[in-house]
Amino acid sequence: EAGVAQSPRYKIIEKRQSVAFWCNPISGHATLYWYQQILGQGPKLLIQFQNNGVVDDSQLPKDRFSAERLKGVDSTLKIQPAKLEDSAVYLCASSSPGTVSTGELFFGEGSRLTVL
Amino acid sequence: AQTVTQSQPEMSVQEAETVTLSCTYDTSENNYYLFWYKQPPSRQMILVIRQEAYKQQNATENRFSVNFQKAAKSFSLKISDSQLGDTAMYFCAFMKVDEKLTFGTGTRLTIIP
Repeated sequence: EAGVAQSPRYKIIEKRQSVAFWCNPISGHATLYWYQQILGQGPKLLIQFQNNGVVDDSQLPKDRFSAERLKGVDSTLKIQPAKLEDSAVYLCASSSPGTVSTGELFFGEGSRLTVL
Repeated sequence: AQTVTQSQPEMSVQEAETVTLSCTYDTSENNYYLFWYKQPPSRQMILVIRQEAYKQQNATENRFSVNFQKAAKSFSLKISDSQLGDTAMYFCAFMKVDEKLTFGTGTRLTIIP
């Protein structure tokens, strides 16, 4: 079974530029999550999708971050304009209908963003 | 809001030894889950072990076991016969039923050959 795919793995940009990250979840997983992991901290949920609808985006900085999950499969997270404090690893995760309520998430390898 | 505290930023242990990672949490809920997730260097995070709060019996997965003390709000992870592949960041996490995961800040564990 293929895992959660993310790209790009690494991205370096200057502040005020824009960046987009892509995620393809495990086939059949209806729930998709984007987490932000700043160095020295645990992952923080940015947004959770159930199919193509948003379940929780309470911690997404909506003035600069946006995310979409068209057709309920893959997803894109965009940052525009980027700030220095956005430097982090962006983790995508997915879960199946059988595991979403029990906390078992399947993570991708992450996209590491450096903002200069 | 729930909080998860991991007070050991880094630990190291000799291969084949036993190591215990600590975690405490704060909640007023009675029904919840606790987790240990492992994040190896440059690899994806994976679930190591899960504990349901309503179960008194401590969860075990092969060399990994937990010591769940509900009254003390403590949830430690014991790794027996540690192996080089156990080198990773370990995150303790809390989840109220049907809500989002809250992660601790992690413990970096190094297994020394």
